[in-house]
Amino acid sequence: AQSVTQLDSQVPVFEEAPVELRCNYSSSVSVYLFWYVQYPNQGLQLLLKYLSGSTLVKSINGFEAEFNKSQTSFHLRKPSVHISDTAEYFCAAQDRRNSGGSNYKLTFGKGTLLTVNP
Amino acid sequence: NAGVTQTPKFRILKIGQSMTLQCAQDMNHNYMYWYRQDPGMGLKLIYYSVGAGITDKGEVPNGYNVSRSTTEDFPLRLELAAPSQTSVYFCASSPGLAGELAKNIQYFGAGTRLSVL
Repeated sequence: AQSVTQLDSQVPVFEEAPVELRCNYSSSVSVYLFWYVQYPNQGLQLLLKYLSGSTLVKSINGFEAEFNKSQTSFHLRKPSVHISDTAEYFCAAQDRRNSGGSNYKLTFGKGTLLTVNP
Repeated sequence: NAGVTQTPKFRILKIGQSMTLQCAQDMNHNYMYWYRQDPGMGLKLIYYSVGAGITDKGEVPNGYNVSRSTTEDFPLRLELAAPSQTSVYFCASSPGLAGELAKNIQYFGAGTRLSVL
C-alpha cells in the first residue's frame, strides 16, 4: 500500500520569498509522483509530474520538484512566489505497474495550504 | 472546452434524504473517479470506473453507489444522507490508455459542496 505525507499543513510566506513544500511517500513498489494545485473554490489541476528520466521536473509557472529515491521525497520549490500562487497543493503517488484498472488510482497527501502575503 | 462538468455546485440535504451528484466528461476518457475532500484530509477515492458498465470500490465506498451506463456520465448516488457525508465531492477522468500508464493524467471537475444537516 502507498502513503503520501505532506509535512506541513500550512505555509505562509511573503511575496518574492522562496518556498519549499515537502512531500514524502512510502510504497513497496515504484511509483509515479505528481503535484496538483487547487485554487480557491476550484478543482485540482496538475502542476507537474515525475514519470522517469531526469529527477528534476519543472512547471511553466516557475515551480520545480525533485525526485529523491533514497529519501523517498518529492519536494516542491519555487525561488520567488507571487500572490497568485496562493492555493492548496497536493502531492500524489500512483503505482507504476500496469496491471489493471486499480493502478490508475492516485494516493493523495493531505495537502499544504500556501498563503502568499504582500 | 468543457472537460469535466459537475452539477450541482452546492446542495444542502436533510438527514435521510437521497440525491445524485452528476458528472459528465466530453474528452472520451475511459476512466472516471469520484473523490471526497474533507478539510485537512486530502482526497479519498470513493468509486472508480474503467469503462461503461464497469465500476469498482475505492477507499471509502460506504453510503454511496455509482453507475456507468455511458462513457460520458458517471453519477454518484447517496441513498440515505448522513452528516458524515458532508464534504466536497470531486469527479475526475483520465484517458485510460492501454500500455501508456504514464499518460493517464486525471482531470478534475470544479466540485460539488454538499452539506447534510
